[in-house]
Amino acid sequence: SQTIHQWPATLVQPVGSPLSLECTVEGTSNPNLYWYRQAAGRGLQLLFYSVGIGQISSEVPQNLSASRPQDRQFILSSKKLLLSDSGFYLCACRPRTGELFFGEGSRLTVL
Amino acid sequence: AQSVTQPDIHITVSEGASLELRCNYSYGATPYLFWYVQSPGQGLQLLLKYFSGDTLVQGIKGFEAEFKRSQSSFNLRKPSVHWSDAAEYFCAVGGYNQGGKLIFGQGTELSVKP
Repeated sequence: SQTIHQWPATLVQPVGSPLSLECTVEGTSNPNLYWYRQAAGRGLQLLFYSVGIGQISSEVPQNLSASRPQDRQFILSSKKLLLSDSGFYLCACRPRTGELFFGEGSRLTVL
Repeated sequence: AQSVTQPDIHITVSEGASLELRCNYSYGATPYLFWYVQSPGQGLQLLLKYFSGDTLVQGIKGFEAEFKRSQSSFNLRKPSVHWSDAAEYFCAVGGYNQGGKLIFGQGTELSVKP
């Protein structure tokens, strides 16, 4: 079965600093990968998805970017964080057949 | 447009009482439907899913959901709630096009009274 590792689990960063959140997947090959953000008291907003290495689709215009340098690695980045980037970031994996599996999340606080 | 609506933001039930969480969706093709549960500070865990076939699906932890195409609904039910069921519940819809992405509802927070 799939296992998704996310790190760091918790991050406190000042406004204007860079960001890198990493996600790696075990137990499957060539999955679709996703970054969701969950703001306090809100549902899940899809930020990016990827159907293969180097293929990134952005769902909403924002201050963030994503990259997929390897089949089972998905990175969320920012060059300069905004206060509004605070939230709970979830990486998810969907094998070619099946449901979405989630990592444990990374909580980002921008001060 | 694809969307999921969970009309109830917060529900409180007594332990041992029955539970129904509502979910309505809008989706242009045959929907694949899911219910996930999230404990505070954790990722999401799949409770159950509907792809095709029998419209009443059974999931983990004693949950079930019924797909009603005519009402565009996929409500989650449990006959007897346990205190450990207190969590946030998300309904989601998606397919295998557009990268297989899932669209989530806003979630329903469930509190359980002793």
